[in-house]
Amino acid sequence: EPEVTQTPSHQVTQMGQEVILRCVPISNHLYFYWYRQILGQKVEFLVSFYNNEISEKSEIFDDQFSVERPDGSNFTLKIRSTKLEDSAMYFCASSPTRTRYEQYFGPGTRLTVT
Amino acid sequence: QKEVEQNSGPLSVPEGAIASLNCTYSDRGSQSFFWYRQYSGKSPELIMSIYSNGDKEDGRFTAQLNKASQYVSLLIRDSQPSDSATYLCAVMGPGNQFYFGTGTSLTVIP
Repeated sequence: EPEVTQTPSHQVTQMGQEVILRCVPISNHLYFYWYRQILGQKVEFLVSFYNNEISEKSEIFDDQFSVERPDGSNFTLKIRSTKLEDSAMYFCASSPTRTRYEQYFGPGTRLTVT
Repeated sequence: QKEVEQNSGPLSVPEGAIASLNCTYSDRGSQSFFWYRQYSGKSPELIMSIYSNGDKEDGRFTAQLNKASQYVSLLIRDSQPSDSATYLCAVMGPGNQFYFGTGTSLTVIP
């Protein structure tokens, strides 16, 4: 069964550094999403992406964040200058066209900012 | 502020019983509703979606939606120990953003 994959599984970085989190959505899916979940807290929507552009973004998704689909398979989230409070699990999700809101999540990347 | 509220639990039920999980949401314009299961340390896994008032059944799971009361629930029949997890209610608001509740922790006792 196709799955969303994410790399790396764990990223440790120093405050102020840039990080890029990578995702490979399910191959025939056209809608892509990023979420974060701070330890012990709720899953928070960051951004949705369709047809090579951002569809929706939350208040969390400020100028420090960007997303890109650099090729036909990868979907990336970049954090330009990480802060301590960016430490969280970041989930990528994708959904097919027909049921575009039913999202399938990847295993996540745990980001630790020190 | 768009809110999705769930009883955090923990909810404990004996094996074979029905588990009932509830969720309320604040934005009356919300149209799409989802239940996810999240095992500890894992990612959310889609269980059910529901878009219209009433019941929707899928195997042992039944989702119920009442838009007038801004209420959505999930029933798990014949609960199994493998159902022990945190259940997340998610709502898509009018701006096509998704809001998750904090989840209800369910333990099924063998």
